[in-house]
Amino acid sequence: QKEVEQNSGPLSVPEGAIASLNCTYSDRGSQSFFWYRQYSGKSPELIMFIYSNGDKEDGRFTAQLNKASQYVSLLIRDSQPSDSATYLCAVNRGGNEKLTFGTGTRLTIIP
Amino acid sequence: GAVVSQHPSWVICKSGTSVKIECRSLDFQATTMFWYRQFPKQSLMLMATSNEGSKATYEQGVEKDKFLINHASLTLSTLTVTSAHPEDSSFYICSARVGSQPQHFGDGTRLSIL
Repeated sequence: QKEVEQNSGPLSVPEGAIASLNCTYSDRGSQSFFWYRQYSGKSPELIMFIYSNGDKEDGRFTAQLNKASQYVSLLIRDSQPSDSATYLCAVNRGGNEKLTFGTGTRLTIIP
Repeated sequence: GAVVSQHPSWVICKSGTSVKIECRSLDFQATTMFWYRQFPKQSLMLMATSNEGSKATYEQGVEKDKFLINHASLTLSTLTVTSAHPEDSSFYICSARVGSQPQHFGDGTRLSIL
């Protein structure tokens, strides 16, 4: 079982709709959860991070964490073509621990 | 804030050459820097974790004598790929972090060995 699992996609979403990206993790000791966006040929860019159960909203982005289910998701509202990218989920045990990355979900927003 | 600069962005060199890549945190002092490698259509692979003033911690399977990491200050870490060969061609990305804050990534270095 992979430590951090994501559906590789591609996930196609119409422009203006809500894109939902999912991630599960196996380490119950995980405390910190991150979503990074990576455009083709570029390095990852931090989008959101969440530490507590529940929802965290930042503009069009909402991160959702359910530690009991070992599940974290990213919702993108009012999807734009510029949101087309690979989204990487990453987790760690908090503190100064290294990140474990999923393999990423490729998202395509269809105009 | 949290800008990480990586240089060079692109390197093409002959087999057997050693290549140095620099990673700088521009507006913060990074207690920890990380070096990743990414092959096409694959996820990030952590190579090593670097703390200022101490030896880097390498991940299993990464040759420390081939990938030399120096973290001389809180704002600079370097990765030297020694005697590079075509199989070392990849996208190398550094990241930096203060304490337990999120990691921020540099723009990456695309290394091509002929």
